[in-house]
Amino acid sequence: NAGVMQNPRHLVRRRGQEARLRCSPMKGHSHVYWYRQLPEEGLKFMVYLQKENIIDESGMPKERFSAEFPKEGPSILRIQQVVRGDSAAYFCASSLLPGGSTEAFFGQGTRLTVV
Amino acid sequence: DQQVKQNSPSLSVQEGRISILNCDYTNSMFDYFLWYKKYPAEGPTFLISISSIKDKNEDGRFTVFLNKSAKHLSLHIVPSQPGDSAVYFCAASENTGNQFYFGTGTSLTVIP
Repeated sequence: NAGVMQNPRHLVRRRGQEARLRCSPMKGHSHVYWYRQLPEEGLKFMVYLQKENIIDESGMPKERFSAEFPKEGPSILRIQQVVRGDSAAYFCASSLLPGGSTEAFFGQGTRLTVV
Repeated sequence: DQQVKQNSPSLSVQEGRISILNCDYTNSMFDYFLWYKKYPAEGPTFLISISSIKDKNEDGRFTVFLNKSAKHLSLHIVPSQPGDSAVYFCAASENTGNQFYFGTGTSLTVIP
């Protein structure tokens, strides 16, 4: 009955380093979404993945950001050469069916701080 | 560009009274709507949802109303409890869509 698991909960990186955020969806869920919440803002869509496929990455910055959801293992959001503006809470959600007529369940988030 | 809007950043309600949180949307293709509750430093928690074929869905103290012609939905919490104090996000999606569109949230404070 484990929910969506994200790790780490908190991540501190220096400018120029890489950040790797992990997300294990709920059991049986094959649809994963990544959202970012900047301070004092709402949740902004980044990317939607199914197993081994990126379905929609329209919300993800074209450079430095990438995401994957391999056949085995968690989904990974990777940010290369982090900058201060990347500091935010990153949330992963999963759903049983494609987004559209189903609920998505969120993890606790990873709070990235770039110093 | 904000397709889902929550125009009230905050709301204060006395314990025991009704809390009404509002949400407007612009995309007529949206046909599934959700409300999430979020405590500080935690992820959003799913509360209740409604399909566009309905105009009301109730779950305990929580009721969501949908007015498609006005592109408006609301969440009613009655009676409100101090533990309901949190940020509430409205979200919407299209049947063939790939994402959930979120509003900017309303911070609810229930005063004991």
